[in-house]
Amino acid sequence: AQSVAQPEDQVNVAEGNPLTVKCTYSVSGNPYLFWYVQYPNRGLQFLLKYITGDNLVKGSYGFEAEFNKSQTSFHLKKPSALVSDSALYFCAVREDTGRRALTFGSGTRLQVQP
Amino acid sequence: GAVVSQHPSWVICKSGTSVKIECRSLDFQATTMFWYRQFPKQSLMLMATSNEGSKATYEQGVEKDKFLINHASLTLSTLTVTSAHPEDSSFYICSAREQGVAKNIQYFGAGTRLSVL
Repeated sequence: AQSVAQPEDQVNVAEGNPLTVKCTYSVSGNPYLFWYVQYPNRGLQFLLKYITGDNLVKGSYGFEAEFNKSQTSFHLKKPSALVSDSALYFCAVREDTGRRALTFGSGTRLQVQP
Repeated sequence: GAVVSQHPSWVICKSGTSVKIECRSLDFQATTMFWYRQFPKQSLMLMATSNEGSKATYEQGVEKDKFLINHASLTLSTLTVTSAHPEDSSFYICSAREQGVAKNIQYFGAGTRLSVL
């Protein structure tokens, strides 16, 4: 079984400050981890993924995420938040075997205040 | 990145009618497509996995006779909500994964908001 937890329903941060959106996961095998962003009434846009290799992954729009195997975490980060980053962020996981679909976390709403 | 087109983006229908939603991968071939349902302020729930040329695999609790899925080609999957009722009103999102094991990213359509009166 695979599952994802996003412990924060909402994260508030001031523009220009660093942001972190938390994610922890559970899979039987090795994880494939993803972050997606969703704007109102839209589908999901891919931000970044971890498959293998460096634990620090860089993605679109200046976002990055760090894979921590011992803590089973994959937190999303950005050094300096923009108001336009305000959206709903989803962490997702799937096992590295088989052809299973992604399992999503409950989502975290990021609110960046000017 | 790859583009997934979903149509229509919004549909209103009367109770008892059927609605078809199309999902196309525009610039890549997708042997596997997925259909998700999202309730307001909630996460995406997988409904079914659609494999080209074979029957879809439905998640537990999803009625296969109500949500008919067809994946007739490597670029097109359709979801038909049959005899729709108000409780079927939701945001439906399709996703496609590019062919090939190395292609791990699922790309998403813009979603279809279904309102059943």
